[in-house]
Amino acid sequence: GAGVSQTPSNKVTEKGKYVELRCDPISGHTALYWYRQSLGQGPEFLIYFQGTGAADDSGLPNDRFFAVRPEGSVSTLKIQRTERGDSAVYLCASSLLGTGNADTQYFGPGTRLTVL
Amino acid sequence: AQSVTQLGSHVSVSEGALVLLRCNYSSSVPPYLFWYVQYPNQGLQLLLKYTSAATLVKGINGFEAEFKKSETSFHLTKPSAHMSDAAEYFCAVSDRGGNTGKLIFGQGTTLQVKP
Repeated sequence: GAGVSQTPSNKVTEKGKYVELRCDPISGHTALYWYRQSLGQGPEFLIYFQGTGAADDSGLPNDRFFAVRPEGSVSTLKIQRTERGDSAVYLCASSLLGTGNADTQYFGPGTRLTVL
Repeated sequence: AQSVTQLGSHVSVSEGALVLLRCNYSSSVPPYLFWYVQYPNQGLQLLLKYTSAATLVKGINGFEAEFKKSETSFHLTKPSAHMSDAAEYFCAVSDRGGNTGKLIFGQGTTLQVKP
């Protein structure tokens, strides 16, 4: 079956530009997560959606980062005024239920963002 | 706050040798613990997870891990390494019964398998 997909796979942008990264979760999964993985590091949590609502956005580094999931399926991570330090691989994951249980999170292949 | 420490950013073993990847966690509440593997240019894939009283957890591809509360450890082992096991391995913890299922990851261990 279809897994988590992310588009684009690679994005190169210039400092100061706006970017949008898209995540298509596994159909029927209510929980969706965004993580950021810098070179040589483990993934770092950014934001968690339960359905349409952002249940935990404590990992967003600042107000340049924003994410939406308007219909409870596809999610878009938006980054304004990009900085070179935003360069990383952005990972999306989905799970069936979320909410403090041990649901397996299924990860997409990631979007590699490079800010020049 | 929860945290994970993976001892050894790089581990090299010979094909057929024992694989041991170390993970220690810190958590103020009983944790859920996970091992994920990441192959080049692929997404993270779950190897195994600890969720219950069964302290020895068996996963895919012949891997297993043992939860030791007294040592706050969850080390990953495999009796005999294959060349195909070469990848990046991540240990992660999440909060049992918490409001989210967010994962806190370690920094990862790169496993190299020599012929």
